[in-house]
Amino acid sequence: QQQVKQSPQSLIVQKGGIPIINCAYENTAFDYFPWYQQFPGKGPALLIAIRPDVSEKKEGRFTISFNKSAKQFSLHIMDSQPGDSATYFCAATESYGAQKLVFGQGTRLTINP
Amino acid sequence: DTEVTQTPKHLVMGMTNKKSLKCEQHMGHRAMYWYKQKAKKPPELMFVYSYEKLSINESVPSRFSPECPNSSLLNLHLHALQPEDSALYLCASSQRQGVDIQYFGAGTRLSVL
Repeated sequence: QQQVKQSPQSLIVQKGGIPIINCAYENTAFDYFPWYQQFPGKGPALLIAIRPDVSEKKEGRFTISFNKSAKQFSLHIMDSQPGDSATYFCAATESYGAQKLVFGQGTRLTINP
Repeated sequence: DTEVTQTPKHLVMGMTNKKSLKCEQHMGHRAMYWYKQKAKKPPELMFVYSYEKLSINESVPSRFSPECPNSSLLNLHLHALQPEDSALYLCASSQRQGVDIQYFGAGTRLSVL
């Protein structure tokens, strides 16, 4: 029940396309859902995060869509660029209880020029 | 400044060596974390310190020994490691344990021979 399932494992998109990465969870106590971006040789960096009281959050070219009833959330990258090529991790945590970040398995995204 | 600094960047050690990894943050954060990350996998939580006290130990083998000397510093002491312990070791910090944003360092790439 602590798992976060992420798909796809890898994704190749042409420049300007809209890659979509999906995540699903079971634990209804999760109340904070961040996305991390990791470049090779670097630590993960927070990209954008959402709480379950909103259905969508946009920051620049990055948008999270959240479906509380389906227990699913997704990341969309508008007008994707080669510099967006990285590994993306969704995650979830709860304000009470374990208070640990539970990561999805990651998506390796490649944006071709 | 949202920087978490880890040293060294790379470390090669034999199975009988004793070494330490260091992590420093000056953001006034009161929660600090150690993660282990294998290639193409998400970070795995090892330890959490909250207000300089060990809050979570994810059943990590005793050959890994964490230490939090003060609110800005976190160490990971290594002794008698195995080759399978080779990985990227990431430090992170957050304002408090739980839903606050975790800021990651660039990690220490550890190789155990």
